[in-house]
Amino acid sequence: DSGVTQTPKHLITATGQRVTLRCSPRSGDLSVYWYQQSLDQGLQFLIQYYNGEERAKGNILERFSAQQFPDLHSELNLSSLELGDSALYFCASSGASGGHNEQFFGPGTRLTVL
Amino acid sequence: KNQVEQSPQSLIILEGKNCTLQCNYTVSPFSNLRWYKQDTGRGPVSLTIMTFSENTKSNGRYTATLDADTKQSSLHITASQLSDSASYICVVSPTNDYKLSFGAGTTVTVRA
Repeated sequence: DSGVTQTPKHLITATGQRVTLRCSPRSGDLSVYWYQQSLDQGLQFLIQYYNGEERAKGNILERFSAQQFPDLHSELNLSSLELGDSALYFCASSGASGGHNEQFFGPGTRLTVL
Repeated sequence: KNQVEQSPQSLIILEGKNCTLQCNYTVSPFSNLRWYKQDTGRGPVSLTIMTFSENTKSNGRYTATLDADTKQSSLHITASQLSDSASYICVVSPTNDYKLSFGAGTTVTVRA
């Protein structure tokens, strides 16, 4: 158990809908990272937050947005969902903002768009 | 072009045998290189982490090596077990960037 929690574990929705994925980092970790992993694909970095502020952005679509709250939990919002958005979404946390710090991954949320 | 290339894409080995996975990277300069193990449908779990000055790091039956001159790393699995069946991901952390560079992973299947 990495100490990172993600909810829900599974999510099934329809095209055009909007969903929110939630992540709670390890106790004391200030950085939260979001990744997308499509079937048989590698991890794609989406976005990073550090202590409530956006720190780095990867290949995140404009239909996707994220935020980190004062209690350090984070939410990833996906809107106008398309079939291709079906994937595993992972959240990771680390103690500091730099990429050289070890990231601990949550169990993931499996999103299925029908 | 991906800055981290892993080979082979997949491999099948018999239980008890050894295998070696390769990672070639172009990220430079870098702070550290990590190997993660990801079971199907689960989050990646760190196996080893090496700074640019380290040559080898072990974690049980897993041994990672790093050659910063040739920009190559390998992960050696000794006496494989069925539980080693997973995807192994090489991750390089650039010195001057927050974003990690991920390899596509090598899928290892261990058969009895």
